[in-house]
Amino acid sequence: NAGVTQTPKFRILKIGQSMTLQCTQDMNHNYMYWYRQDPGMGLKLIYYSVGAGITDKGEVPNGYNVSRSTTEDFPLRLELAAPSQTSVYFCASSYTSTPGQGREQYFGPGTRLTVT
Amino acid sequence: EDKVVQSPLSLVVHEGDTVTLNCSYEVTNFRSLLWYKQEKKAPTFLFMLTSSGIEKKSGRLSSILDKKELSSILNITATQTGDSAIYLCAVVYNDMRFGAGTRLTVKP
Repeated sequence: NAGVTQTPKFRILKIGQSMTLQCTQDMNHNYMYWYRQDPGMGLKLIYYSVGAGITDKGEVPNGYNVSRSTTEDFPLRLELAAPSQTSVYFCASSYTSTPGQGREQYFGPGTRLTVT
Repeated sequence: EDKVVQSPLSLVVHEGDTVTLNCSYEVTNFRSLLWYKQEKKAPTFLFMLTSSGIEKKSGRLSSILDKKELSSILNITATQTGDSAIYLCAVVYNDMRFGAGTRLTVKP
């Protein structure tokens, strides 16, 4: 298994540009998550999905959109990029049948995004 | 407001020292607490704690949850330079929230 893969690894955007961060998992996990990690900070949840066709907002959803058309893929869309979105983005997935229970998450390698 | 607080924010020790990292939380409907180690890239899972007072152990690392004190500690004994990393605590409740992490530096 490849686990959780993310592309691209690095990207520089200009203010106002748009892009999609790709995330794919091959473990047949129901849950998928997008986090951002700013320098010296912990992870903050942007969006999550409990299954194909279902997404919900996390702690910091503004400026982002997601979709979950398949179990495997969970792309994160940035529209009108802003310098405040400069961060490292991590995608993660987990398998659980009971929402809210503790669960081990598998993380992708991250995408380092700079908006200038 | 729900929060997860880790302390200290950073710590520098020498090889062979023992360290204790703290994670405290204030959330509703607590489910579990997870510890992760983050080196250069993505966090890797260490422990999941759901019951108070039961120690989880893996090699030189151990962790325990205290639900009365709303906190958990992560202990690392006989530290090595390879233990240098950011240690993240995450609390699962109706949602999931990470602390800011503790940056541990182990000097030779």
